[in-house]
Amino acid sequence: QITLKESGPTLVKPTQTLTLTCTFSGFSLTTSGVGVGWIRQPPGKSLEWLALIYWDDDKRYSPSLKSRLTITKDTSKNQVVLTMTNMDPVDTATYYCAHKMTGSGRRFFDYWGQGTLVFVSS
Amino acid sequence: DIQMTQSPSTLSVSVGDRVTITCRASESIGIWLAWYRQKPGKGPNLLIYKASTLESGVPSRFSGSGSGTEFTLTISSLQPDDFATYYCQQYNSYSLTFGGGTKVEIK
Repeated sequence: QITLKESGPTLVKPTQTLTLTCTFSGFSLTTSGVGVGWIRQPPGKSLEWLALIYWDDDKRYSPSLKSRLTITKDTSKNQVVLTMTNMDPVDTATYYCAHKMTGSGRRFFDYWGQGTLVFVSS
Repeated sequence: DIQMTQSPSTLSVSVGDRVTITCRASESIGIWLAWYRQKPGKGPNLLIYKASTLESGVPSRFSGSGSGTEFTLTISSLQPDDFATYYCQQYNSYSLTFGGGTKVEIK
């Protein structure tokens, strides 16, 4: 059974760096074809993909946010970490991590975490 | 980025109704489209991928069709569990994008 859970601060101040951790179980990020992504959703709005990391450490980022994002993995801990620099109130959102369906080219998400709400305010 | 436009943004329907949601891509994405259902306070659930392939465990009242730039999600007979918001997502390009969502509400 695949599960994912996001953790991190509820509140960050403008200009600070946000660090979120996704802890997962039921799969390994060393298995060919596996990936974990981050997606966010501002209150009342749609979903926005942020980043994706693959089993082979290939990393992909949203072009509009690439300069602010870093995604890494720790396979020994079954964790994926996302950092986002220079936070702004417009970054207030629920942040989700999700399992990419295994297989080449399958860049969509079949298991999602419950999400963690992050407020950006001074 | 490829822009995904969903219509309508809101749909007021009754249990048992047939529901159709449209998703249009700003350029051709082949069949590389997924659909999700999201209930309030929860993460999205995958319904369909590759435009028309039903995810395992998803009820057969859901179906998807389309290719290129125009896609549809159909719910043949809406059930109480289906009052939610639906999103499409393209994965033709490495820059993944979602539609704006369609909220299906009780009439």
